[in-house]
Amino acid sequence: EVQLVESGGGLVQPGGSLRLSCAASGFPFSSYSMNWVRQAPGKGLEWVSNIHSNIRTIHYADSVKGRFTISRDNAKNSLYLQMNSLRDEDTAVYYCVREWFGEFNWGQGTLVTVSS
Amino acid sequence: DIVLTQAPLSSPVTLGQPAYISCTSSQSLVHSDGNTYLSWLQQRPGQPPRLLIYKISNRFSGVPDRFSGSGAGTDFTLKISRVEAEDVGVYYCMQDTQFPYTFGQGTKLEIK
Repeated sequence: EVQLVESGGGLVQPGGSLRLSCAASGFPFSSYSMNWVRQAPGKGLEWVSNIHSNIRTIHYADSVKGRFTISRDNAKNSLYLQMNSLRDEDTAVYYCVREWFGEFNWGQGTLVTVSS
Repeated sequence: DIVLTQAPLSSPVTLGQPAYISCTSSQSLVHSDGNTYLSWLQQRPGQPPRLLIYKISNRFSGVPDRFSGSGAGTDFTLKISRVEAEDVGVYYCMQDTQFPYTFGQGTKLEIK
């Protein structure tokens, strides 16, 4: 069974940093592209970032480019999102999402709150 | 960026009746590999999103056959043939044909 478990969310002040993790199991992690998608409270879904299985190919939403860094450790079956210079508008539930040619599996999400 | 526009934004439906949600894309979603990467997601209250349909019309594992998808190019439809109480929630279309991936605004399905 595919399992994606996010962690690392919490309360952080504007301008601060946070690192999210996603522990994957139940599938060959190194073979899959992975994404982070977020959802602000009461709002819709926003794609944040994608990292290919080859690790080298990475994409970001314009809203986070230059502030967030996606990475993965295939030996640890883990996906990460380093978030710097956080803003109020980054407050959201962050989901780890596995991708395979249009098929997406979603984790339960971790809440990030940016507030002073 | 590709903009996905859903209609209606709210859909009150009688139990056992069909429901239809449309999704219109600002440009063709046909990928260079010939596939069209248009998906439908369901988000029940307090739950993460769940994939229902991928590549226009393919039902994901475990999805009941009352859910079906259709369309081509820029116009797509999700049909629920007979709405059940557990179908209440918000439905999103999503494109992963090109980056940045984008979502529709969401359609709230309610029971009349």
